[in-house]
Amino acid sequence: DAKTTQPNSMESNEEEPVHLPCNHSTISGTDYIHWYRQLPSQGPEYVIHGLTSNVNNRMASLAIAEDRKSSTLILHRATLRDAAVYYCILRGLSSGSARQLTFGSGTQLTVLP
Amino acid sequence: GAGVSQTPSNKVTEKGKYVELRCDPISGHTALYWYRQSLGQGPEFLIYFQGTGAADDSGLPNDRFFAVRPEGSVSTLKIQRTERGDSAVYLCASSPDRGPAETQYFGPGTRLLVL
Repeated sequence: DAKTTQPNSMESNEEEPVHLPCNHSTISGTDYIHWYRQLPSQGPEYVIHGLTSNVNNRMASLAIAEDRKSSTLILHRATLRDAAVYYCILRGLSSGSARQLTFGSGTQLTVLP
Repeated sequence: GAGVSQTPSNKVTEKGKYVELRCDPISGHTALYWYRQSLGQGPEFLIYFQGTGAADDSGLPNDRFFAVRPEGSVSTLKIQRTERGDSAVYLCASSPDRGPAETQYFGPGTRLLVL
C-alpha cells in the first residue's frame, strides 16, 4: 500500500500561514491525496483533496509537487481553532482500498496566540 | 442538514459485558464506515457497508465484533464479551459516492471504557 510520511508536530503563530508537508514517494497515478483534520474530542473532518493540480477551497489550499511524490497543505492564516491533528491520506486503486481511509499518525499542529 | 450522529456519546461497561453502539448516517448516504481510535493513534478501519451489506469487514479484530445495517441507513456495532483492550473511541462515517475522490463525513464518536 502507498504510504504517507508527515512530521509528528508543528507550531505556528496565530494569523500567520502554515505549511504542512506530506511525503508519498510510492504514490501511483490513480491515487488521490486527501487531507482530514481532527480537532480535540471530535471526529475527523474533511479539509481538501486533489489528484494532480493544486486545489483551493474555503478552508485551505493543497499544493501538489509536479512528480506527485509530495504535497503541502496550506492554511493561509492560522487561527486558534485550527489547532488539530492533520492527516494526509492516499486513496485509490493502488492504496489497498478505494473505500476505507488509512490514517497514519498525522501532524499535531499547535497554534500560538 | 443534520450530520452523522452516534449514540451513546459515552459508554462505561464491565469486562465480559455486551455493548451496542449506534450510528445514524447522513440521509441518503449509501456508504457507511466504522473506525476505532485508541488514545494517541489515528483511526483504524473496522468495516464498510454499501447499502445493507458489509462490503469489507477485514478490519474487525475478531469474532467478538459484529456490525449490521438492516435497512441501509442506521448501523449498529456490537461487541460481545468486552475486554479492557476494547476501550477506545468508535467513529462512524458516511459518504454519498463511490470511488477514491469521495469525502467521508464523521460523527463525534462513542467513547467506550471497559472496566
